[in-house]
Amino acid sequence: EVQLVESGGGLVQPGGSLRLSCAVSGFTFDNYWMSWVRQAPGKGLEWVANIKQDGSEKYFVDSVKGRFTISRDNAKNSLYLQMNNLRAEDTAVYYCARVRGGYCSGDSCHHPFDYWGQGTLVTVSS
Amino acid sequence: EIVMTQSPATLSVSPGERATLSCRASQSVGTNLAWYQQKPGQAPRLLIYGASTRGTGIPARFSGSGSGTEFTLTISSLQSEDFAVYYCQQYNNWLLITFGPGTKLDIK
Repeated sequence: EVQLVESGGGLVQPGGSLRLSCAVSGFTFDNYWMSWVRQAPGKGLEWVANIKQDGSEKYFVDSVKGRFTISRDNAKNSLYLQMNNLRAEDTAVYYCARVRGGYCSGDSCHHPFDYWGQGTLVTVSS
Repeated sequence: EIVMTQSPATLSVSPGERATLSCRASQSVGTNLAWYQQKPGQAPRLLIYGASTRGTGIPARFSGSGSGTEFTLTISSLQSEDFAVYYCQQYNNWLLITFGPGTKLDIK
């Protein structure tokens, strides 16, 4: 059974940092691109970042570029999101998601997200 | 950035009836379009990808159609468990994936 379990959320002050983790099981982790998607309270879904199987390609939504970093440890079957210089507008539930499909690069990738974790809440407030 | 719009924002339908949800892209995304269902307090679930292919375990009452900029999700006979929020997503631009704002499907 495919499982994705996020952790690391919590309350942080503006300007602070937080590291989210996503532990996966039930599939061969290093065969898949992975993503982070967030959802502000009562709002819609916003894609945050993608990372390729070997970590060699990473893409981010403009609003987090330079502040967030995505990484993975294939030996530990884990995905991470390092969030620095957090702002109130980063408050959201953060989901990790598996990208359906196999190997691709850059503009040649066209895959949806087929499995999602239950999310972890990040609250940025003083 | 490819902007996704969905209509209507809220749709009220009776159980057993058909529901038709629309999604429009600001530029062509081919068939690189997915639909997700989200219930309160739950993660999204992949319903449709490639504009018309059902995801794993998705009932046949869910169908998708369209290409380019205009897409439709149809639920042929609404069941009680189908009342939820539905999002479309374009993944044609892999460097900037975008979602629509969602359509809330309510019980009439």
